[in-house]
Amino acid sequence: AQKVTQAQTEISVVEKEDVTLDCVYETRDTTYYLFWYKQPPSGELVFLIRRNSFDEQNEISGRYSWNFQKSTSSFNFTITASQVVDSAVYFCALRGYGNKLVFGAGTILRVKS
Amino acid sequence: DTEVTQTPKHLVMGMTNKKSLKCEQHMGHRAMYWYKQKAKKPPELMFVYSYEKLSINESVPSRFSPECPNSSLLNLHLHALQPEDSALYLCASSQEAAKATNEKLFFGSGTQLSVL
Repeated sequence: AQKVTQAQTEISVVEKEDVTLDCVYETRDTTYYLFWYKQPPSGELVFLIRRNSFDEQNEISGRYSWNFQKSTSSFNFTITASQVVDSAVYFCALRGYGNKLVFGAGTILRVKS
Repeated sequence: DTEVTQTPKHLVMGMTNKKSLKCEQHMGHRAMYWYKQKAKKPPELMFVYSYEKLSINESVPSRFSPECPNSSLLNLHLHALQPEDSALYLCASSQEAAKATNEKLFFGSGTQLSVL
């Protein structure tokens, strides 16, 4: 069975603060992919990143960075210098071989000006 | 064009109505998906079409009937829905076979459905 846990239901920060969204996963597959999606109020899920289970290199894209640690089954997402436009629901997701994409419960991020 | 377009954006229907949700993509993707998302919950997979054939049905009630007329279009026909079916219905597509592990899904903005 596959499971994704996002323990933070809601986070509020003030603009320019850094914020980290936690994601912990469970899977028995040796090959799997992890994803982060952003869902702004408009509704569509926007793909942010995909990481395979063999690549533990951290990634930085502008103000976004991701820390993948296989030893702790975590794939955390950090936004540096947050902006109001970052306000959204963020979903971590997992897909093992031949399986459907499993989403975590989501974390609501509110960035106040 | 990297968009998945869904119509209508909002739909209100009675329990005896028949309506359809439409989804279109022009990215040449061969897998298309329907997800249901209740408020403050993650999306839940309903159906997957791969190469225009239904490959996954997540035990969805028969009052939801999917259709894939061609590789660019995906419909969801609704009939005799219940109030608890009110939700955001999201369409998504991905490039290749639906079971490919690394497939990145592109989502539409969804249809917000209210069943009265």
